[in-house]
Amino acid sequence: SQQGEEDPQALSIQEGENATMNCSYKTSINNLQWYRQNSGRGLVHLILIRSNEREKHSGRLRVTLDTSKKSSSLLITASRAADTASYFCARRSNDYKLSFGAGTTVTVRA
Amino acid sequence: EPEVTQTPSHQVTQMGQEVILRCVPISNHLYFYWYRQILGQKVEFLVSFYNNEISEKSEIFDDQFSVERPDGSNFTLKIRSTKLEDSAMYFCASSDKGVGEYGYTFGSGTRLTVV
Repeated sequence: SQQGEEDPQALSIQEGENATMNCSYKTSINNLQWYRQNSGRGLVHLILIRSNEREKHSGRLRVTLDTSKKSSSLLITASRAADTASYFCARRSNDYKLSFGAGTTVTVRA
Repeated sequence: EPEVTQTPSHQVTQMGQEVILRCVPISNHLYFYWYRQILGQKVEFLVSFYNNEISEKSEIFDDQFSVERPDGSNFTLKIRSTKLEDSAMYFCASSDKGVGEYGYTFGSGTRLTVV
């Protein structure tokens, strides 16, 4: 499969803690994107990291990319209840489509 | 902030009926996409559309599916004869760059239920 695969499948943390999720893929990428989906809602683009980048930050989000290991990680620092959602990585190769992984469901307990 | 708008939010249809899902992409975007998500499963690519033609389509996007940009603002997905397995959330997306320089903007989705 060319799709990204996230782990863990589910994560439950206390508010204020950090949440880390990982994504692995099998083929070369142009970029890798992370999206959030609240229950029953659309996909919200969080951050994009290009294949020649190793780390990127956006607010409380930090994404790393290791192309030698074909993996990426998303770190959410100082989590809030509003961060409760499913998080998906999506791989973009040199075509027009995104290939999504199965997602990590994050629950932030107050 | 600009949004991708999808209508209806929920549609129930009888098996064998035709449905049209509608999307209004962001006005200055040039690339348009449909994805679907069967309940509990991954988001799957259906089709991409640029310059009034299909750029790429997946194996899911068979002859029962078609897309159209009938005017300057709407982008539609038609399923000609729906099957039970077409029940899913359908997401429209648009982007201003087709080769992945930026993320896509997704709509909130249309939940299609085929009975």
